[in-house]
Amino acid sequence: AQSVTQPDIHITVSEGASLELRCNYSYGATPYLFWYVQSPGQGLQLLLKYFSGDTLVQGIKGFEAEFKRSQSSFNLRKPSVHWSDAAEYFCAVVVPSGTYKYIFGTGTRLKVLA
Amino acid sequence: DVKVTQSSRYLVKRTGEKVFLECVQDMDHENMFWYRQDPGLGLRLIYFSYDVKMKEKGDIPEGYSVSREKKERFSLILESASTNQTSMYLCASSPTPKGQYGYTFGSGTRLTVV
Repeated sequence: AQSVTQPDIHITVSEGASLELRCNYSYGATPYLFWYVQSPGQGLQLLLKYFSGDTLVQGIKGFEAEFKRSQSSFNLRKPSVHWSDAAEYFCAVVVPSGTYKYIFGTGTRLKVLA
Repeated sequence: DVKVTQSSRYLVKRTGEKVFLECVQDMDHENMFWYRQDPGLGLRLIYFSYDVKMKEKGDIPEGYSVSREKKERFSLILESASTNQTSMYLCASSPTPKGQYGYTFGSGTRLTVV
């Protein structure tokens, strides 16, 4: 069965440090790939998406993600974290066949130290 | 700014009550979704709709029903609320059924059943 794994439940970084959040998926072909962010008490906001083309994708709020087919990964990065980036981050995939089902990871909660 | 609006941010209901969660989107999207979000379990799809008066069961439809009488409105109904339905409920919409452009989420309704 298709699945999405976010290995890190919690990550803590200092403000100004770089950030990488990991996402791995299990699917034979290339799915559609997404990262969402959820601030406390809010819904999810789309950060970026990939379904074809350049494997390095730029998103909002200074985030980027790189699709690596060989590693079945779609890791989210930001060169310099701001205190306002503290939130929960969800990776999601859509299997592009059949019902086009959305599969969400269980999330990574980011804490930013001043 | 396009929006998905959920009518209540917080609700407290008693066991056995009939509960209505309302969701309205202003993007003319045909596709709408209801998820529940629980710690450690991520987002789980309850129901979705690809058109007016159309509905499909998601992964956890038991104890829920939905109504889609108008394109912009998608309601989730808990026929007889139970304590295990205490959760955060998220509504989302999408311009396409395949989801390749991502979802727009509402801010969520945190429901507590006592």
